[in-house]
Amino acid sequence: SQELEQSPQSLIVQEGKNLTINCTSSKTLYGLYWYKQKYGEGLIFLMMLQKGGEEKSHEKITAKLDEKKQQSSLHITASQPSHAGIYLCGADYWGSQGNLIFGKGTKLSVKP
Amino acid sequence: ETGVTQSPTHLIKTRGQQVTLRCSSQSGHNTVSWYQQALGQGPQFIFQYYREEENGRGNFPPRFSGLQFPNYSSELNVNALELDDSALYLCASSLPGTSPTDTQYFGPGTRLTVL
Repeated sequence: SQELEQSPQSLIVQEGKNLTINCTSSKTLYGLYWYKQKYGEGLIFLMMLQKGGEEKSHEKITAKLDEKKQQSSLHITASQPSHAGIYLCGADYWGSQGNLIFGKGTKLSVKP
Repeated sequence: ETGVTQSPTHLIKTRGQQVTLRCSSQSGHNTVSWYQQALGQGPQFIFQYYREEENGRGNFPPRFSGLQFPNYSSELNVNALELDDSALYLCASSLPGTSPTDTQYFGPGTRLTVL
């Protein structure tokens, strides 16, 4: 079974609406990374969470890691077309920063 | 702009051939990781190099091999290409042991198609 599950697989929202993407791990995380990817391109680093209960924000994107360090959510407020893309969570189970286990991604479309 | 570059951008090979993909890391980043991303999937870890030595490997056969050079460049070599090797190959560089926010920076990827 997949170590890291992302949901939903895809999401279509109207511009201006809020949305949440979830990432659930089958075991305790050392760290959790969120990346954004445009189709067929490299990954753009968004945020990294390490402490249980940690929350970080960048512009209109907020990411949280639960106390047990097994679940993270990414929340976008007042979505814009520029937010469209594939959001990937990556789990670091060993503290190596190099070997990340990724979820399958959530494809976000924002309708103007 | 992450400071990580990859070449070539696209590549088409036939089954059984060999391929070399290249990555140029950020200056000072002595760790490079390679990932394979099949269509519609998340990236899968292939291996990591630290100071020119392999430092961890995912579930990939030995025909996937790599090299890292002192000038922060690296290579991914794949022998005896199979159709399932068609994917986007990503490299990521990092400087381990520093702040957790000094994370991996990904290149734009090389799209490999095996016919």
